[in-house]
Amino acid sequence: LAKTTQPISMDSYEGQEVNITCSHNNIATNDYITWYQQFPSQGPRFIIQGYKTKVTNEVASLFIPADRKSSTLSLPRVSLSDTAVYYCLVGFMDSNYQLIWGAGTKLIIKP
Amino acid sequence: NAGVMQNPRHLVRRRGQEARLRCSPMKGHSHVYWYRQLPEEGLKFMVYLQKENIIDESGMPKERFSAEFPKEGPSILRIQQVVRGDSAAYFCASSPGQGVDYNEQFFGPGTRLTVL
Repeated sequence: LAKTTQPISMDSYEGQEVNITCSHNNIATNDYITWYQQFPSQGPRFIIQGYKTKVTNEVASLFIPADRKSSTLSLPRVSLSDTAVYYCLVGFMDSNYQLIWGAGTKLIIKP
Repeated sequence: NAGVMQNPRHLVRRRGQEARLRCSPMKGHSHVYWYRQLPEEGLKFMVYLQKENIIDESGMPKERFSAEFPKEGPSILRIQQVVRGDSAAYFCASSPGQGVDYNEQFFGPGTRLTVL
């Protein structure tokens, strides 16, 4: 199971673009990269998932370089409500219950 | 379509008592996962169940903990003879299971267990 490394915390301001980078040097060929968001006292919520290159949805973009040893979650024009913990996870698509959840990145958005 | 439901949201028990945590998956989901989360830490996988079957319980402590997902009714995580170290947030997640493009898990609001 691939472990991930991401910054413990980040600060930004409303309206800015925020990029959170995650390292996963031992990612395997079959592994997907998934990001979840967790607000205090709530369960995590799926944000985005990708395998390579770039994935975009209505919430975020995920950039994955060719070697797939890292990935970057991009949140455009953040607001105060984006303050949360963001988890980067790597694992098999069909057995992601075995994912290793690190401490995540605590993102604080300031006015 | 209601999301994953967990109850109770908060549970207080004294050492030695039993704790029962319930999880109702999203409609149409047949796969349930239980996780434990300590403050300022990530989630730790405990057990993965399908209807009437335990698929993987490798994350569950060998003693005092058990889980079930009966044919009818919610999934139950049971902790017998609770100790202070069991105090944590317990999250349940569900997914549609096999044959989907990706196995996104949908999480409930969690049950916060406090052992006095």
